[in-house]
Amino acid sequence: GNSVTQMEGPVTLSEEAFLTINCTYTATGYPSLFWYVQYPGEGLQLLLKATKADDKGSNKGFEATYRKETTSFHLEKGSVQVSDSAVYFCALIVSYNQGGKLIFGQGTELSVKP
Amino acid sequence: GAGVSQSPSNKVTEKGKDVELRCDPISGHTALYWYRQSLGQGLEFLIYFQGNSAPDKSGLPSDRFSAERTGGSVSTLTIQRTQQEDSAVYLCASGPAGTGAIGEQYFGPGTRLTVT
Repeated sequence: GNSVTQMEGPVTLSEEAFLTINCTYTATGYPSLFWYVQYPGEGLQLLLKATKADDKGSNKGFEATYRKETTSFHLEKGSVQVSDSAVYFCALIVSYNQGGKLIFGQGTELSVKP
Repeated sequence: GAGVSQSPSNKVTEKGKDVELRCDPISGHTALYWYRQSLGQGLEFLIYFQGNSAPDKSGLPSDRFSAERTGGSVSTLTIQRTQQEDSAVYLCASGPAGTGAIGEQYFGPGTRLTVT
């Protein structure tokens, strides 16, 4: 079946530290990959996406590269801020024709300390 | 513009009662999704509506769960004979049409359901 596995949290970093949140996937088809973020008290929102192998999604200083050979989509940021504290979800869609339903990882909580 | 809205924001109900959760999607979005978020199960897909097509109900956990979308806009998720394991945050999302927007889903704030 299709699934997403993320590194367990919580992850606690100091401001300006480098961030990596690991995400790997299993998919029967050729998926599109996403990172969603849930800030405290807010709804889920799309952070970035990549729809084919070797694509790099980027937004707000975050990046993730679609690696088909390692079935991974790790999230990185060079210098985190306190405002990046949130829960991050890796997700996939196998095929738009199959309904566009997102399959999420379990989420990784990030806490950034000043 | 207005985002996805859901009501109520919180609902406490007794085991065995029926509940209705409402979702107002972003105007013009043809796709509408229901998910639920719980500590033990994470984020789970429940049901998906796309235009006039038959909904994808593959994620509904039991026949106590049903949903409808009226006029291609507002959606209601109904849970009959609620059980304690139904306690979760129920999230609604809507999305625009087109493969260029694949995976772009705009989530509402959720309805927190507690079954006592």
